[in-house]
Amino acid sequence: IVLTQSPGTLSLSPGERATLSCRASQNVGSTYLGWYQQKPGQAPRLLIYGASSRASGIPDRFSGSGSGTDFSLTISRLEPEDFAVYYCQQYDNSLWTFGQGTKVEIK
Amino acid sequence: EVLLVESGGGLVKTGGSLRLSCAASGFTLSSYSMNWVRQAPGKGLEWVSKISPSGTFLYYADSVKGRFTISRDNAKNSLYLQMSSLRAEDTGMYYCARVLTKMATIGNFDYWGQGTLVTVSS
Repeated sequence: IVLTQSPGTLSLSPGERATLSCRASQNVGSTYLGWYQQKPGQAPRLLIYGASSRASGIPDRFSGSGSGTDFSLTISRLEPEDFAVYYCQQYDNSLWTFGQGTKVEIK
Repeated sequence: EVLLVESGGGLVKTGGSLRLSCAASGFTLSSYSMNWVRQAPGKGLEWVSKISPSGTFLYYADSVKGRFTISRDNAKNSLYLQMSSLRAEDTGMYYCARVLTKMATIGNFDYWGQGTLVTVSS
């Protein structure tokens, strides 16, 4: 499968709402749809698994939704530490695929 | 505290070999599937390989199949990636990552190491 994330870059101000999209090239369900955050020089961090479950320690301003081929990650109110690159991940046919990433930058 | 520490990266010539290691602590390695994920400089994440808790089931991305071998030694709390016939496009940071759910073959990755850098150059 191919995961296409949009937009490529999102320019927003702290306190604003961010909505990131991840579209799959075919329907593979939501059981293993994940979202990760990566900051420069750091390893990725799991935010959301199973499309909508928050990982341990993740603030409730992060939420995931979607099913089928269309998924989204919403950050309700951007905090300064949320400016980073976000990747979606999906599993199909014994292989994992990541989207190309969405950069959330300070406007 | 769960900790994953990769090592073994470095500069290697095109066509050469390298063995990466991932030392696990703070959890029972034998209960978790593990993965390797890489990231070329300035690029996105690419899944490389995964191994089931006992080491029975192995899976590889098409880009590394036949050249890379994943293995584990649960008694030594270690995960490995043997890389051979290395190409310039294998350059990048290599991360080991743990699957979220105990004893599951499949799952998103809840803990990651800090990575080890592999540079392939002629």
